[in-house]
Amino acid sequence: GESVGLHLPTLSVQEGDNSIINCAYSNSASDYFIWYKQESGKGPQFIIDIRSNMDKRQGQRVTVLLNKTVKHLSLQIAATQPGDSAVYFCAEKGDTDKLIFGTGTRLQVFP
Amino acid sequence: EAEVAQSPRYKITEKSQAVAFWCDPISGHATLYWYRQILGQGPELLVQFQDESVVDDSQLPKDRFSAERLKGVDSTLKIQPAELGDSAMYLCASRKSGGADTQYFGPGTRLTVL
Repeated sequence: GESVGLHLPTLSVQEGDNSIINCAYSNSASDYFIWYKQESGKGPQFIIDIRSNMDKRQGQRVTVLLNKTVKHLSLQIAATQPGDSAVYFCAEKGDTDKLIFGTGTRLQVFP
Repeated sequence: EAEVAQSPRYKITEKSQAVAFWCDPISGHATLYWYRQILGQGPELLVQFQDESVVDDSQLPKDRFSAERLKGVDSTLKIQPAELGDSAMYLCASRKSGGADTQYFGPGTRLTVL
C-alpha cells in the first residue's frame, strides 16, 4: 500500500545553519506533495507544497525538492531559527483525494 | 487570515461516555476532513466530506464513531462510547474545491479517555 516515511526522526541544528529534512514516498503515482510544521499542542501548519511536474519550489526561507526517480522529497530551511523548532511532516496525494502522512521529524534548534 | 475553528480544545472523559467535537472550516471550503493523530505519528484520515456528503469514511470505526455535516458548512464528530484507545488529537481540515489540493488544519481537540 501507500506509505510515506522519514529517514531521521530527530534533527538537531545550530541557530543560523541550514536544515534539511528528508522524506521517502512509495507511490509513484502520487502527484502532489506537501510539508507541514506542527508545534506542540497545535494543528499542522502548511509550509510549502509541490506538484509532480516540478522538481523544486521555493518559499520564504524554505525550499522543497522532489526527486521522482528515487521517490524522495526534502525540505530545506535556510538560516534556521529557534521558532523553526517543531515536528515536520511530509504528505503525499495519489490518485485518490487522500493525503498520506509520514511519522514526522522533530527539528531542534540550539543556540 | 481565515482559519479552521475547532472546539473544544481539550476534552477529558471517562470510558463509555459520549464525546462530540465541532469544526468550522474556512469559509467557502467545500471539502472537510476529520483526522486522528496519535502522539508521535502523522494524522490519519477518519472521514471526508464534500459539501454535506460523505466521500470517504472507510477508516471511520462506525460502531462507535459518527460524523455529520448537515448543512455543508460546520461538522460534528461523535464518539459513543469512548474507549481508552481513543485518546488522541482530533484534527479538522478543509480544502477549497476546484483543483486546489492544499488542506488547512485547525488547532485540534486533544481527547483523553480515563
